[in-house]
Amino acid sequence: GNSVTQMEGPVTLSEEAFLTINCTYTATGYPSLFWYVQYPGEGLQLLLKATKADDKGSNKGFEATYRKETTSFHLEKGSVQVSDSAVYFCALSGPPIQGAQKLVFGQGTRLTINP
Amino acid sequence: SQTIHQWPATLVQPVGSPLSLECTVEGTSNPNLYWYRQAAGRGLQLLFYSVGIGQISSEVPQNLSASRPQDRQFILSSKKLLLSDSGFYLCAWSVQGITIYFGEGSWLTVV
Repeated sequence: GNSVTQMEGPVTLSEEAFLTINCTYTATGYPSLFWYVQYPGEGLQLLLKATKADDKGSNKGFEATYRKETTSFHLEKGSVQVSDSAVYFCALSGPPIQGAQKLVFGQGTRLTINP
Repeated sequence: SQTIHQWPATLVQPVGSPLSLECTVEGTSNPNLYWYRQAAGRGLQLLFYSVGIGQISSEVPQNLSASRPQDRQFILSSKKLLLSDSGFYLCAWSVQGITIYFGEGSWLTVV
């Protein structure tokens, strides 16, 4: 079945450091890939997505490229801020079932940015 | 624009008591609706999804049930809570596109 493996956390960086959170997946067919972010005490917010190979999703300075050859969707940001501290989830979605999309999530990576 | 609300935001319930979490979506029609759970130290797990009124699909066997009495209303219930039901419950919705949008979540502690 479909699965997502994320870099284990927690990850602690200093402000303005470069961020990479690794994500690899196993799926049949051609899934869509997502990064969601969960700020403390809140629900999940969509950060970025990519729907086909070589697509690059980007938002708020974060980027991730859909790499079919390595089955990866690593999240990167060139210069992190304290406000980026959150838990980040990689997820995939296979073909819809009766129109419903079923997300499969990674375990989440807790990121803490120190000033 | 579309919005999703779920409540209550937090609740503490004794073992064996009933549960009702409610979720409503505004600004769209015929959404697909979902309930996810995030247990402590674990990832997010899809519990139920619904593609229409009265249509419920369960992803994992458990002590919970879901109902969709109206097009934009999704309810998560239990008759008797277990300690293992504790967690963060998230309602979500989607329409024709691929993106799923989540509510604010409800923290449930069973004591």
